[in-house]
Amino acid sequence: EVQLVESGGGLVQPGGSLRLSCVASGFSFSDYWMSWVRQSPGRGLEWVANIKHDESETYVLDSVRGRFSVSRDNAKNSLYLQMTTLRVEDTAVYYCVRSIYGNYFESWGQGTLVTVSS
Amino acid sequence: EIVMTQSPVTLSLSPGEGAPLSCRASQSVGSNVAWYQKKPGQAPRLLIYASSTRATGVPARFSGSRSGTQFTLVISSLQSEDVGVYYCQQYNSWPSLTFGGGTRVDIK
Repeated sequence: EVQLVESGGGLVQPGGSLRLSCVASGFSFSDYWMSWVRQSPGRGLEWVANIKHDESETYVLDSVRGRFSVSRDNAKNSLYLQMTTLRVEDTAVYYCVRSIYGNYFESWGQGTLVTVSS
Repeated sequence: EIVMTQSPVTLSLSPGEGAPLSCRASQSVGSNVAWYQKKPGQAPRLLIYASSTRATGVPARFSGSRSGTQFTLVISSLQSEDVGVYYCQQYNSWPSLTFGGGTRVDIK
C-alpha cells in the first residue's frame, strides 16, 4: 500500500522559513516523479512543485519561484520542500503526492498545515 | 496560464440521482485532464485521468468525457459517500499545472 507521510508544518511568522518532509513507503520511490500540492483555507487546490525521479529536473509554481525549492533523497525515500521568505498567502495544507511523470496526481498524503501569521 | 472553470459551484442531488459536473479550459488542453474527489478531512483522490480513464478502484458510476475544451464528470447514481468537492486539473501546459475552482456535491 502506498503511504506518504508529511511532517514539518507549523506556525511561522511572515518572512520566516520552514522545511517540509515526506516519507514514502509501499512503492519504489526512486522510480516516480513526486510533487507538492497545497490547499489554502476555504480555497481550491494549487500545484506547487514537481521533481523528477532522479532529481535531474525540478519545477515550481511561479509565485514561489526563488522562495521555495524541492528536493529528494531516494536513499531515504524522502521528499522535501524548503520554504523561505514565507508570506501570509502561503498558508495552506501542503500535500506530498506521487505523480505520473509530473502530470497528474495519483497518490496523496494526509497533508501538513503551514500557517504564516504574525 | 490555462484557466479551468468549473460549474456549477454547488450541486445538490438526491441519493440515486445522477448529474454532470462541468469543467471548461480557457484554451486547448487536448485530453490532458484529470478529476479528483476531496472529502472533508481527507486527502484528495484521483478519479479520472486522460479525460475519461478511471483510476484504479474507482467505481463505474464515475465517468469522464471531453468535447473540445469542455470536460464533464458524471456521477451516474449518487451515493452518500460521494459527498465532497470535485476538482478538474489540466496537465497539457506542463510544467504549469492548474486546477479548477471545484464543484461541491451534497445530498439534497
